[in-house]
Amino acid sequence: DGGITQSPKYLFRKEGQNVTLSCEQNLNHDAMYWYRQDPGQGLRLIYYSQIVNDFQKGDIAEGYSVSREKKESFPLTVTSAQKNPTAFYLCASSRDSSSTDTQYFGPGTRLTVL
Amino acid sequence: AQSVSQHNHHVILSEAASLELGCNYSYGGTVNLFWYVQYPGQHLQLLLKYFSVDPLDKGIKGFEAEFIKSKFSFNLRKPSVQWSDTAEYFCAVNAQGNNRLAFGKGNQVVVIP
Repeated sequence: DGGITQSPKYLFRKEGQNVTLSCEQNLNHDAMYWYRQDPGQGLRLIYYSQIVNDFQKGDIAEGYSVSREKKESFPLTVTSAQKNPTAFYLCASSRDSSSTDTQYFGPGTRLTVL
Repeated sequence: AQSVSQHNHHVILSEAASLELGCNYSYGGTVNLFWYVQYPGQHLQLLLKYFSVDPLDKGIKGFEAEFIKSKFSFNLRKPSVQWSDTAEYFCAVNAQGNNRLAFGKGNQVVVIP
């Protein structure tokens, strides 16, 4: 059963701690993306990766970091430098970096920083 | 960079009513346009897409979208909604050749049986 998995579904952390969100896909897609979704704000792009070992900053990359060591995995680290980390985080992938390609989304991780 | 505007963030309507969601974008070049939908408890998923270079499918689950290039708009319509259309709808745009999507803030649509 192909798709995108994100874990965990809910995550709680204390202020000042780094936390890593998992994103795995078995769709054999080249491109992967991380978005942040806040109520009434839509989706904002954090980072994206066109291919393994390559990634670029999106619109709101400050306070976040990523890695793309394997094609199927694109973990996102929310660092203590992120001033307002509590949000719903969505991972997506697309077959390649074509602008006409559909992006497929995971179920999301809701991060709450206490 | 592109930006996307969606109006009327919250929409409440009765079954069988008609739905129209507005989407305007700011980019003068060739664009690709998407509507994504997030049903309660489900993943965000593609509803329909339109490529201004090479038009592709539009009209899924009774939805259709009209692209008016002169107005930079890509409005979503459904003539008669059902309770199962209750969802959040997002318009998204990218420039031809650039896979970075810009999303609107979304429309929360509630259909009352």
